[in-house]
Amino acid sequence: SQTIHQWPATLVQPVGSPLSLECTVEGTSNPNLYWYRQAAGRGLQLLFYSVGIGQISSEVPQNLSASRPQDRQFILSSKKLLLSDSGFYLCAWSFEQINEKLFFGSGTQLSVL
Amino acid sequence: QKEVEQNSGPLSVPEGAIASLNCTYSDRVSQSFFWYRQYSGKSPELIMSIYSNGDKEDGRFTAQLNKASQYVSLLIRDSQPSDSATYLCAVTGFQKLVFGTGTRLLVSP
Repeated sequence: SQTIHQWPATLVQPVGSPLSLECTVEGTSNPNLYWYRQAAGRGLQLLFYSVGIGQISSEVPQNLSASRPQDRQFILSSKKLLLSDSGFYLCAWSFEQINEKLFFGSGTQLSVL
Repeated sequence: QKEVEQNSGPLSVPEGAIASLNCTYSDRVSQSFFWYRQYSGKSPELIMSIYSNGDKEDGRFTAQLNKASQYVSLLIRDSQPSDSATYLCAVTGFQKLVFGTGTRLLVSP
């Protein structure tokens, strides 16, 4: 069976500090990978998605970036965090070329102070 | 017009009642529809998928799809306090799912 791991679970960072969130998927090959952000009381905002190694599509202009160095690894980064980057970050995966149902990781609660 | 619309709620129902959650979408070519449950502070969990018009039942959950009306709903029978959560409707778009903002359901004992 497939599993998705996301860490850390919580993170408190000062404004201007860097960020690196990591996500890995096990039990499947060539998954589509996604990063979402959910601000308090708000809906899910798609940040990035990837259909293969090195292939990243950005949905929203921002100071965040994503990378996919390996087939089942997806990384969300920032060089300098802003207060507005606070939120609940969710990594998700879906099967390649199927119906795009998503399976989410456990999420990272990021507080930028 | 939002791509996927849901009433934010809260929808309050007593224990044992039927909870009815609704969702409308704007993209007529959408083919797949999903309901996710999200407890406070947790990640969304897939509970139902539906791909064709009509009803699909899974335990206490029934998903209903009407593509002509661009409408999908989720019925929860015999609602339990543990069903209290936010329910997210999701609809396939181009290479991604589009989520509604969710309906908060409160089931009172």
